[in-house]
Formats: sequence, C-alpha cells, structure tokens
Amino acid sequence: DVKVTQSSRYLVKRTGEKVFLECVQDMDHENMFWYRQDPGLGLRLIYFSYDVKMKEKGDIPEGYSVSREKKERFSLILESASTNQTSMYLCASSPIGGTNYGYTFGSGTRLTVV
Amino acid sequence: TQLLEQSPQFLSIQEGENLTVYCNSSSVFSSLQWYRQEPGEGPVLLVTVVTGGEVKKLKRLTFQFGDARKDSSLHITAAQPGDTGLYLCAGASDYKLSFGAGTTVTVRA
Repeated sequence: DVKVTQSSRYLVKRTGEKVFLECVQDMDHENMFWYRQDPGLGLRLIYFSYDVKMKEKGDIPEGYSVSREKKERFSLILESASTNQTSMYLCASSPIGGTNYGYTFGSGTRLTVV
Repeated sequence: TQLLEQSPQFLSIQEGENLTVYCNSSSVFSSLQWYRQEPGEGPVLLVTVVTGGEVKKLKRLTFQFGDARKDSSLHITAAQPGDTGLYLCAGASDYKLSFGAGTTVTVRA
C-alpha cells in the first residue's frame, strides 16, 4: 500500500525551540508539499518541492524553511517555534503533472507550541 | 480571503437523506478535486474532474464541474453514517492546489 509517512502524530514544543517535521513517501513522486490546516481556514501551502534540492515558497512561508536532500524525504523546519505555529501539519506528494490528478497525504502532525 | 468558498460550513442530516455541498470561486481551474478527511487523518482523494460540465459518479456520490470550470458540487444520495467527515474541494492552477475551508458533514443514525 503506497503511502506518505509523517514521523510524529503529536508534538509538543516550547516557544523558541527549533522543530523538525519529517515526511517520507514511497511512491517515487517528484513533487512534495507541506500544508498547515487550521479550523475555518482550510489547508494553506507553506512550501513545496518539485525535485531534490529544489524548493519553492507557498502562500505562508514566513517562519518556516524546508529541506529535500533525497527524493523520498521532505522536511519542514520551524527555526524558532512560536505559539501561532500551533496547528495540524500535513505533508503530501504527487507525480509530475499530478496536481491535476490528486495528492496523497500523510496522516498529519498535530503540533502544539507552548 | 479564501480562493475557494465552500458552503455550507456545517451540515447535519439523518441517515437516508440527501445532501449537496457547493464549492465556488471566481478563478478558473484546470481541474477540481474533492477530498474527504476523517478526524486525526489526512485528506483522501475522492475524485478529480477536469472538463467543464463533467459529471462523475462514485456509488452514492455525484460530482459536477461547472461549465466555466470555476465551481463544483458534491451530492450524496441516501447518506449513511460512514459518510461523516470533512469534505474539501481543491482547485488546480499552474502547479498548485488551493483548498476550500471544508464542509463538516455529520450523518446521524
């Protein structure tokens, strides 16, 4: 069964900590995405990558960075966590041209910053 | 401001009733997708519609893409408790998906 795996389901971090969220896909997809989901706001795109070592800013990149050293792995980094980054974080992947045909999502990481 | 507006935001119905969820935008999309998300899980793709006016059926679910490729609807016939979830529409333009805020559907037994 093909899948996107996010390393943690739940995380609690302190304000100012550096936080790493990891995502691995086993479908050999070129494209990978990080979204955050907040009630009433839907999913908002933080960063995406269409190739190894490539990254593009999404709609809300401030306070985040990403790393893609291998095709199957896409990491989201919160350089200095703040309480307004408390959210559900979702990783997704798709093949080239896959935007028109759907994404595969991970189960999400619920991050709480205290 | 949401690029895609979904309505209603919440919907609670009795088992066996029908329901329709709407997804509207002023933007034109190359395709529109519907996902269902259950609590604690990521969204799961239900369908993709690509052609203006296209209608797709998935068992009791019917999806329609507007002629101008700006809007879509999801109709569920004879809803069942297993249909409960958050329904999200997403429009594809360029290389990105933009999501609506979602419609929470609750089907009571």
